[in-house]
Amino acid sequence: QVQLVQSGAEAKKPGASVKVSCKASGYRFTGYFLHWVRQVPGRGLEWMGRINPDNGGANYARKFQGRVAMTSDTSINTGYLELRSLRSDDSATYYCARDDGDYSAQRWGQGTLVTVSS
Amino acid sequence: QSVLTQPPSVSGAPGQGVSISCTGSSSDIGAGWNAHWYQKLPGTAPKLLIYASILRPSGVPDRFSGSKSGASASLAITGLQAEDEADYYCQSFDPTVNGWVFGGGTKLTVL
Repeated sequence: QVQLVQSGAEAKKPGASVKVSCKASGYRFTGYFLHWVRQVPGRGLEWMGRINPDNGGANYARKFQGRVAMTSDTSINTGYLELRSLRSDDSATYYCARDDGDYSAQRWGQGTLVTVSS
Repeated sequence: QSVLTQPPSVSGAPGQGVSISCTGSSSDIGAGWNAHWYQKLPGTAPKLLIYASILRPSGVPDRFSGSKSGASASLAITGLQAEDEADYYCQSFDPTVNGWVFGGGTKLTVL
């Protein structure tokens, strides 16, 4: 069955970077875009960007451009989200999600809590 | 500020029905892109309820239905149950940003 399993919770200081992983199984990893979405506590869902694991091409929400990088390693069917220059308002739960080909996502990772605090 | 506009909250008594609206623009839903709906419970990943504006994934009760007209979409829930109390988000695609756009979310309270 299709599964996305994310890495564990992270605690970071302001100015640091974080890298979250999303390991895919149960489907052809290179066949589907992988999106990253976050939810700041008390706020709504926020799209951060997506990557095409087939060629590594990514595009990012304007808000995060210059501070975010999405990559993938097809040898281990894993996608990565790196966010740099962390601020306290980056404290959030970060989710990966597989695009089903129609710009929706039935499969999501379980979420990774990132806490940014001095 | 979210790209898609949803009411912040709706409520209904058990057994009743509610509708949640989602208003987009000529860049997204109004340009013909489908709307999708997710249910979000605290501490869990979003769950896809409706895709392609009107279709239900396997396992989603038929109490949930979607519609789309022009630049707007709606999620209807009939026969409200206590377990339906959650946040609901609409989502579409905007080619001008080459990515997803979300509504701000609607909190459903079952009275």
